Amino acid sequence: GQQLNQSPQSMFIQEGEDVSMNCTSSSIFNTWLWYKQEPGEGPVLLIALYKAGELTSNGRLTAQFGITRKDSFLNISASIPSDVGIYFCAGQSSNDMRFGAGTRLTVKP
Amino acid sequence: GAGVSQTPSNKVTEKGKYVELRCDPISGHTALYWYRQSLGQGPEFLIYFQGTGAADDSGLPNDRFFAVRPEGSVSTLKIQRTERGDSAVYLCATGQGFAGELFFGEGSRLTVL
Repeated sequence: GQQLNQSPQSMFIQEGEDVSMNCTSSSIFNTWLWYKQEPGEGPVLLIALYKAGELTSNGRLTAQFGITRKDSFLNISASIPSDVGIYFCAGQSSNDMRFGAGTRLTVKP
Repeated sequence: GAGVSQTPSNKVTEKGKYVELRCDPISGHTALYWYRQSLGQGPEFLIYFQGTGAADDSGLPNDRFFAVRPEGSVSTLKIQRTERGDSAVYLCATGQGFAGELFFGEGSRLTVL
């Protein structure tokens, strides 16, 4: 099946720093999405991207849909302690949506 | 309710037993997905329903796993003859058709002893 490679696996940063994570795939996707998951909860949608080259912001978060449709990145600016969690990329084509293995973010105050 | 509701939130069972996990979608959402998430991993696709029919069940690991959605709303994931390797969090997500925006429940944590 389609494989998503998400990196880095984990990040330890200082409060106020910017963060960047990305996802690549050998397959083309029609939609890229970024989710955040906190312990004991389901993933929560952060940003959805529907067009190659699209750059979308949601507050301090910015994500881009790669021009080749095989990659996407997520940036978080000026991180705060509540940004802690696991961030997942997801790619969708036709019916199914596949997820990366996640990036675990730790923010030190 | 306002969000996707999954029951039970926790289920502990013995190897070989039968288990049912339930998902109540957001009202009006026609698309319903089941995922399985193991510790430290991303959600793994199991099955997708559009309305009452299973549009894609290619992610079900074997024939011990089965899911239904008889009236196009509530869905039940059924696992027969459970094995220890089935232990995971089972997530349900719903959305409106192929919009791509899925809303997840909190999951059902299954532990097979």
